[in-house]
Amino acid sequence: DSGVTQTPKHLITATGQRVTLRCSPRSGDLSVYWYQQSLDQGLQFLIQYYNGEERAKGNILERFSAQQFPDLHSELNLSSLELGDSALYFCASSLKSGLRGDTQYFGPGTRLTVL
Amino acid sequence: GDSVTQMEGPVTLSEEAFLTINCTYTATGYPSLFWYVQYPGEGLQLLLKATKADDKGSNKGFEATYRKETTSFHLEKGSVQVSDSAVYFCALTNTGGFKTIFGAGTRLFVKA
Repeated sequence: DSGVTQTPKHLITATGQRVTLRCSPRSGDLSVYWYQQSLDQGLQFLIQYYNGEERAKGNILERFSAQQFPDLHSELNLSSLELGDSALYFCASSLKSGLRGDTQYFGPGTRLTVL
Repeated sequence: GDSVTQMEGPVTLSEEAFLTINCTYTATGYPSLFWYVQYPGEGLQLLLKATKADDKGSNKGFEATYRKETTSFHLEKGSVQVSDSAVYFCALTNTGGFKTIFGAGTRLFVKA
């Protein structure tokens, strides 16, 4: 158990809908990262927050957004969903803001299925 | 930009065989290098890491050495077990530390 929790575990929805994925980092960790894992694209970095502020952006679509709240939990919002958004979404946390060697601890993931 | 290239899988070995999974990288500056493992149905977990050239990371019998001259970080284990069956990801964090780039992953099957 990494100490990172993600809810829900599974999510099934229809095209055009909007969903929210939630992540609680390990106790004491200030950084939260979001990743998308799909069969054809592999593991893609989406976005990072550190202590409530956005720090880095990866291959995140404009239809997706995220935020980190004062209690450090984070939410990833996915809107206007398309079939291709079906994937595993992982959250990870780390103590600091990606210093050299900073280890990321991954949650169990949310499996999103768009029908 | 930064990138990580791993050998394609799947890799199928018999128990007690020697394992090598190749990983090479392209990066500016002096990245930190990682190997993560993903067991079926789970998230990724750190296997080992190295933060500077010639560092050797090791854990659970796995080893990898940060080779700056060949830009490589190959994963090795002398004797694999069935329980090592998983997907292995090589990754780097760039000098600024704000992004981690993952390789495509290599699936390992170990037969009894």
